[in-house]
Amino acid sequence: AAGVIQSPRHLIKEKRETATLKCYPIPRHDTVYWYQQGPGQDPQFLISFYEKMQSDKGSIPDRFSAQQFSDYHSELNMSSLELGDSALYFCASSLGSGAGDTQYFGPGTRLTVL
Amino acid sequence: KQEVTQIPAALSVPEGENLVLNCSFTDSAIYNLQWFRQDPGKGLTSLLLIQSSQREQTSGRLNASLDKSSGRSTLYIAASQPGDSATYLCAVKSAAGGTSYGKLTFGQGTILTVHP
Repeated sequence: AAGVIQSPRHLIKEKRETATLKCYPIPRHDTVYWYQQGPGQDPQFLISFYEKMQSDKGSIPDRFSAQQFSDYHSELNMSSLELGDSALYFCASSLGSGAGDTQYFGPGTRLTVL
Repeated sequence: KQEVTQIPAALSVPEGENLVLNCSFTDSAIYNLQWFRQDPGKGLTSLLLIQSSQREQTSGRLNASLDKSSGRSTLYIAASQPGDSATYLCAVKSAAGGTSYGKLTFGQGTILTVHP
């Protein structure tokens, strides 16, 4: 079965640089979520999209932006990177967002900011 | 604001033991609760999802229960194996507030080690 695809899997950037993370949801899934997991931390919700519209927003810095495209893939754009942005970034997708809708997570993008 | 707590933070058991992981949440207005497994540096694998109207779900050696009114869930693992060693995370999808539906709030996880 197809899973959530994230690219790149690993990314190394310098401080103040920009990064773009991509997420390809499971086919026919219409909802995409982004989470950030710092070292030794639990995943923290950043932002979500339903049918290409932002549906919820969490603790996402103003330096970050995201969007969902017509083919339902999503991109997380990160600017003016800081050392504290080093983390594992997960994308998840679901079909709808109701009580029975399981969120399926991708393998994550490990971002290292030097 | 929803808060999720998992106890214990770490657990070490010999192979073959049955064990219970605990998860509690502060706001009982939830849509569902999911249990995940995470291997070191890896992604999250969904193990079980319990809807707010359900009491339990089973998959193989795993059984998860939900008591929404008391804000508690347990994950029961039968006949543990070394391959079960991983971090187990519970996460709730909150129903309160309208705008917050859909996102998951995670606990800190329980690090499970099953030794031969």
